[in-house]
Amino acid sequence: DIQMTQSPSAMSASVGDRVSITCRASQGINNYLAWFQQKPGKVPKRLMYGASSLQSGVPSRFSGSGSGTEFTLTISSLQPEDFATYYCLQYNGYPYSFGQGTKLEIK
Amino acid sequence: EVQLLESGGGLIQPGGSLRLSCIASGFTFTDYALSWVRQAPGKGLEWISGLSADGRGAYYADAVKGRFTISGDKSKNTLFLQMNSLRVGDTAVYYCATAMGAYWGQGTPVTVSS
Repeated sequence: DIQMTQSPSAMSASVGDRVSITCRASQGINNYLAWFQQKPGKVPKRLMYGASSLQSGVPSRFSGSGSGTEFTLTISSLQPEDFATYYCLQYNGYPYSFGQGTKLEIK
Repeated sequence: EVQLLESGGGLIQPGGSLRLSCIASGFTFTDYALSWVRQAPGKGLEWISGLSADGRGAYYADAVKGRFTISGDKSKNTLFLQMNSLRVGDTAVYYCATAMGAYWGQGTPVTVSS
């Protein structure tokens, strides 16, 4: 089974900052990686798929990169609405697996 | 518009069984692989089961293998999760979602407690 290790588990940042979150897979996943944002009490929302494809309607300040086993979600300029928890998901093969999440808080 | 609507959650004693349903609309049921994902209180997302688009492949996380069964009824556009031998640790909100996570239901809460 593929394990996803996400880092950091939590971070604080200010509006306007550039932040990056990393997911490492225990084996290659052929870019079958998605990123999600979840706010308290809400359903997860997909931001990226295929490691670097932006979901329709998601602001362009979000970007994804990486290949093989290491992937990064970058927010170029944090906005107040971006403070949330972020998860990666590998869907290269079953069983799928999520990273443990990164809680992004306001500094 | 794609919609997923879960039902069937509730309070159940340890060792009991529940059957969750997820009615899909706005797309052809066999167009997408579907998943069940759960989230325990204050915890992260956990993928627990998936059904291939053709309905022939059923897949499970180790945490639920042998206790949970995923299935689908194409005629009713409905995904199911039969949960047996429930444990306190299965307490969570259960979501159905398209496999790559583009669409999610609102979730149904399951509480396993005596």
